[in-house]
Amino acid sequence: DAGVIQSPRHEVTEMGQEVTLRCKPISGHDYLFWYRQTMMRGLELLIYFNNNVPIDDSGMPEDRFSAKMPNASFSTLKIQPSEPRDSAVYFCASSYGTSGEQFFGPGTRLTVL
Amino acid sequence: DAKTTQPPSMDCAEGRAANLPCNHSTISGNEYVYWYRQIHSQGPQYIIHGLKNNETNEMASLIITEDRKSSTLILPHATLRDTAVYYCIVRVATNQGGKLIFGQGTELSVKP
Repeated sequence: DAGVIQSPRHEVTEMGQEVTLRCKPISGHDYLFWYRQTMMRGLELLIYFNNNVPIDDSGMPEDRFSAKMPNASFSTLKIQPSEPRDSAVYFCASSYGTSGEQFFGPGTRLTVL
Repeated sequence: DAKTTQPPSMDCAEGRAANLPCNHSTISGNEYVYWYRQIHSQGPQYIIHGLKNNETNEMASLIITEDRKSSTLILPHATLRDTAVYYCIVRVATNQGGKLIFGQGTELSVKP
């Protein structure tokens, strides 16, 4: 398996633009997690899904952020409109069951100018 | 989930054992101790976890004290590639599908 795949790896956009981050989890995994990492706040859990259903979105910072998982092999995190303070590295991770062993993707480095 | 306390940074000589401590004095009986690490510019990587017995795998050993209030992650022969931030996390085994709360971790620098 190729592991968790994220795209794009780098994204530079201007304030006010829509940004869509993509994630393909490991095949067979039933949990998918979206994290954000900044120097100030560290690694924060934004939202997670179980069997494509959002379970906990309490970490989503505000209504500008939305996440979807239309099927078991694909998820998106969308920011609309984007702001400079959204600049961060966004990680997607997947796991099987409640093991706590999560497999992380390489991340998407987002810069909002 | 219980809170953990780790030193912000540590140094280790290459080839020596790296011993990373973690305090989790409020841990509950059904909470596991997990360790992850994050090498610069990469996603976090699972290392090991345990409940109350010591655990060992190909990457590291985990020593949990008898009262479970603290633990130590041991990298037996540290290499330069082990330079990373190491996170100690406490969570209930069936907690919300493996939800993890990352703290600030310990930045380990392995020096030649």
